[in-house]
Amino acid sequence: DAGITQSPRHKVTETGTPVTLRCHQTENHRYMYWYRQDPGHGLRLIHYSYGVKDTDKGEVSDGYSVSRSKTEDFLLTLESATSSQTSVYFCAISQDYSYEQYFGPGTRLTVT
Amino acid sequence: GQQLNQSPQSMFIQEGEDVSMNCTSSSIFNTWLWYKQDPGEGPVLLIALYKAGELTSNGRLTAQFGITRKDSFLNISASIPSDVGIYFCAGQNPPDSWGKFQFGAGTQVVVTP
Repeated sequence: DAGITQSPRHKVTETGTPVTLRCHQTENHRYMYWYRQDPGHGLRLIHYSYGVKDTDKGEVSDGYSVSRSKTEDFLLTLESATSSQTSVYFCAISQDYSYEQYFGPGTRLTVT
Repeated sequence: GQQLNQSPQSMFIQEGEDVSMNCTSSSIFNTWLWYKQDPGEGPVLLIALYKAGELTSNGRLTAQFGITRKDSFLNISASIPSDVGIYFCAGQNPPDSWGKFQFGAGTQVVVTP
């Protein structure tokens, strides 16, 4: 199994509060991704990173920001959580942009 | 965002039967990936395909990269109870979608004894 951990695994928060999710990898892969998974929508890309301090937006980036200060860590921040951001969030890593992606165990976030 | 067309949405099969599912796209892809996801867990990569016409096996799983580069197929032979789960395809077409895979909605497989 690829060495990817996500924290926390479960979180319940209130509308309007900031939330940060962490993805940590031990594989030294260059690319890291954040997805959300919702019924009826499948996996949708939020943001991705192609190196330290290099990030770009995915298809559902509004309301989210990311940071990558080290190769092994990729943080996803919800500046002011909304109920529409209730979802399961997955981190993924890959060696190169066209290579296979390996997923973490996910974080279930509930915004009340 | 655009998703791949994955079919069927769900399958109820008996143990021992073979399973087939496919994904189609309006775009040409140069990479196809197949994943399996169990409840409460992240998707696990099953097979990766990089060439049109490529046929790759992983145990009882076989996947093919369609010749047109717009489709891919996954077959599971002699299904067993642990094959239950959701199977996803994913495809990529750089440079139009550099670094970004599109995902199918998934095929739910239920295996009955």
